[in-house]
Amino acid sequence: DGGITQSPKYLFRKEGQNVTLSCEQNLNHDAMYWYRQDPGQGLRLIYYSQIVNDFQKGDIAEGYSVSREKKESFPLTVTSAQKNPTAFYLCASSTGRGDEQFFGPGTRLTVL
Amino acid sequence: AQKITQTQPGMFVQEKEAVTLDCTYDTSDPSYGLFWYKQPSSGEMIFLIYQGSYDQQNATEGRYSLNFQKARKSANLVISASQLGDSAMYFCAMRALSGGYNKLIFGAGTRLAVHP
Repeated sequence: DGGITQSPKYLFRKEGQNVTLSCEQNLNHDAMYWYRQDPGQGLRLIYYSQIVNDFQKGDIAEGYSVSREKKESFPLTVTSAQKNPTAFYLCASSTGRGDEQFFGPGTRLTVL
Repeated sequence: AQKITQTQPGMFVQEKEAVTLDCTYDTSDPSYGLFWYKQPSSGEMIFLIYQGSYDQQNATEGRYSLNFQKARKSANLVISASQLGDSAMYFCAMRALSGGYNKLIFGAGTRLAVHP
């Protein structure tokens, strides 16, 4: 079955540590996205990538980094520079032509 | 500025009744798209329905329909015959062109509770 997988489902991090969230898709989509969702709020765009080896900052990129070495994969690293990283992180993909985005199940990150 | 506004933080509806979730948008682009997503308590985002700015007819997908009023810049979601499983957060989103790339701008969401 085609879809998007994110791992892990839950992630706990100590302050000062970098963590990497995984996102993989087998939909053959060119575009991939990372969003952050805080409780009771909508989604905010962190980074997006339209093609391999290319990505752009979204609205809240500070403290995050990404890579796009393969079409199927778009990992997100939450660095120690992110002041308030506790949130729900959603990865999405699309053809890139303006149609709907398909979302993964999300990763819930908690900083201890 | 491109923006999506959902003014209803929460809505209640009786099972089998219809409910309308409001969404207004702001954009100066002549070409845009509007989306509705459902987010159950498990967290995943489920695509429901899409309306293009040039579409002449309102979009429909099963029990979901989109009441698109272009002059008023509104794109309300109508759910007919509500079911208990419709209880979830609902997000309106708009496709925006930024630096030559398509991205989605989301509203704050509306929490729908369906009562038996």
